[in-house]
Amino acid sequence: GAVVSQHPSWVICKSGTSVKIECRSLDFQATTMFWYRQFPKQSLMLMATSNEGSKATYEQGVEKDKFLINHASLTLSTLTVTSAHPEDSSFYICSARVGASDTEAFFGQGTRLTVV
Amino acid sequence: GQNIDQPTEMTATEGAIVQINCTYQTSGFNGLFWYQQHAGEAPTFLSYNVLDGLEEKGRFSSFLSRSKGYSYLLLKELQMKDSASYLCAVMDSNYQLIWGAGTKLIIKP
Repeated sequence: GAVVSQHPSWVICKSGTSVKIECRSLDFQATTMFWYRQFPKQSLMLMATSNEGSKATYEQGVEKDKFLINHASLTLSTLTVTSAHPEDSSFYICSARVGASDTEAFFGQGTRLTVV
Repeated sequence: GQNIDQPTEMTATEGAIVQINCTYQTSGFNGLFWYQQHAGEAPTFLSYNVLDGLEEKGRFSSFLSRSKGYSYLLLKELQMKDSASYLCAVMDSNYQLIWGAGTKLIIKP
């Protein structure tokens, strides 16, 4: 199956700093990538949908100036958590599809972010 | 609104069979997915149903009834490694995945 690589797997940062998470599709071109956040014992919550070459579409309640998403190429999307706070500590997961209407989604390994 | 319901937690015995149910109400339907998620890891794909009926894949089977807005995941010959959360997700008319909260499955020896 297709492989999506997410990096880093875990990161600890200080409050007020920024953290960048990368999501790469290794053997296919992903026109659409999704970023999810998952708090302990809760379901995946979609944060934003990004299409290559265009601005990301953010879900209601997600601050676009705080969670910067860049999808500059068909194989790479990045999520930058700016001015991180302890409440941003969570598990962030990306997934990629070849096309927006493609039903198969491939997930990255996830990134555990802890803000201290 | 859109809603996916599945039990919060289930317990089963090693070697037994367990059925995890999922009911949904969504705006449109483009298929239902089951994912397995071990603690601290990303979900892994188990099954996809878009037509009514049963899809069998080894020890795992998934059933769908679109008219009832209902699906179940059936796990046979349970192994300890099957202890995980099982997530039901429906793809709506906009091809967005709507996720259930997941069912934590505990396997006892």
